Order: sequence, then C-alpha cells, then structure tokens
Amino acid sequence: DIQMTQSPSTLPASVGDRVTITCRASQTISNWLAWYQQKPGKAPNLLVSKASNLESGVPSRFSGSGSGTEFTLTISSLQPDDFATYYCQHYNTYPVTFGQGTKVEIK
Amino acid sequence: QVRLVESGGGVVQPGTSLRLSCAASGFSFNNPMHWVRQAPGKGLEWVAVIGPDGNIKAYAASGKGRFTISRDNSKNTLSLQMTSLGAEDTAVYYCAREGQSSGKAGIFDFWGQGTLVTVSS
Repeated sequence: DIQMTQSPSTLPASVGDRVTITCRASQTISNWLAWYQQKPGKAPNLLVSKASNLESGVPSRFSGSGSGTEFTLTISSLQPDDFATYYCQHYNTYPVTFGQGTKVEIK
Repeated sequence: QVRLVESGGGVVQPGTSLRLSCAASGFSFNNPMHWVRQAPGKGLEWVAVIGPDGNIKAYAASGKGRFTISRDNSKNTLSLQMTSLGAEDTAVYYCAREGQSSGKAGIFDFWGQGTLVTVSS
C-alpha cells in the first residue's frame, strides 16, 4: 500500500497567516492527490482534487500544488473558519490511503 | 442537493455482526459508492467500494472476508454488512459518493454525517 505522510501534525497559526501543509507519498502517484478539511464532529469536505484543482465553492485562499511524491496545501491568509484538521489522500490505486492529518490550531 | 444519511450504528459485543445503511438522495445514484471509517480521535481509513451496478467491489485488507458492501439501486440505498467485529472496528462509519470530475476513481465528493459503531463487551 502507498503510505501518505503529512507534516506537521499540528500547526499553531494566527488569523492572516500564510499556512503550508506538506504531504509525501511513499511512491509516485502522479497528481492523483486530494485534500479534505474536517471540523470536529463533522464529515470531511473535499477541497482540492488532482493535486491543484480547487473544488467548486472552495475559497480562492486555498491552493494545492505538487506531483509525483511531494504535495502542498497552502492557505494564503488564514481565516477563523479555517481552523480545522486537513487530510491528504492519494487515489492512484486501491487501496486509497490518507495522511494522518494536520490540525491547524489557534496560536 | 446531495444527501447521504447513514444508520445502523450502535454498541455491539465482540464477535457479533452489524449492518449499516446509507440512504442517498439528490442525485442519480449511479456513482460508485464507498464506506470510509474513522476511529475515535484518529485519521480516515477507506473501507470498501462498490461500482454503479453492484458488480464490482473492493475492500481494504482490514475488512476483507468480514465486510460485504452492497447497494439497492431501486431504493437508492448503500449497505455494509460487518461480521466478526472486534474492538479495532470501533469507528464512525461514513458513506461517501465517488466524485467523477477528477478523471480517476477513489475520490470522495460528498459524505454522510456518519454512524458510530462501538464494539465493546
């Protein structure tokens, strides 16, 4: 199985900060990489597909990049609604797997 | 709008069985459908997928041989039959619709609210 590793696990940040989360795959996955946001007690919400395609309705302050084995999710200016846990997920082959999550918390 | 509503969770004893259901509405229900689970305080784990007509199924190693995914397209319902449950199966179980705009299988564009399964004696 392909292992997905996110860093950092926790990211203390303030409103207005530029935030970057990194996701590494244990083998190349081309650009078959998705990012999800999850808030406590809620289901995940798809933010980005195909490494860099922003889903409809997702604010433009979110962006994704990368290919092969290294990917990033960037929030250009953190807003109060963005404090949440973020997961990357590859969908190159089955089984699809997720990173362990990055919790963006208030500094 | 797309709506997925899971049911069937609860507290069960180790070694027993449980059947989860997911009622879908707001779309044509001709997407592949998935189950994804999340143990308390932990990350996300894909569980199983079923194709649009129910002929193609795949499972994560953790559930292979114990879990069976099925769907009833006449009732817009997805199910997960789980047997020989153990403490490691304790999790919130989400049903999720496969997104079809990204060009490849295995991405989830809509999720239900989840149903909690607790395996405990």
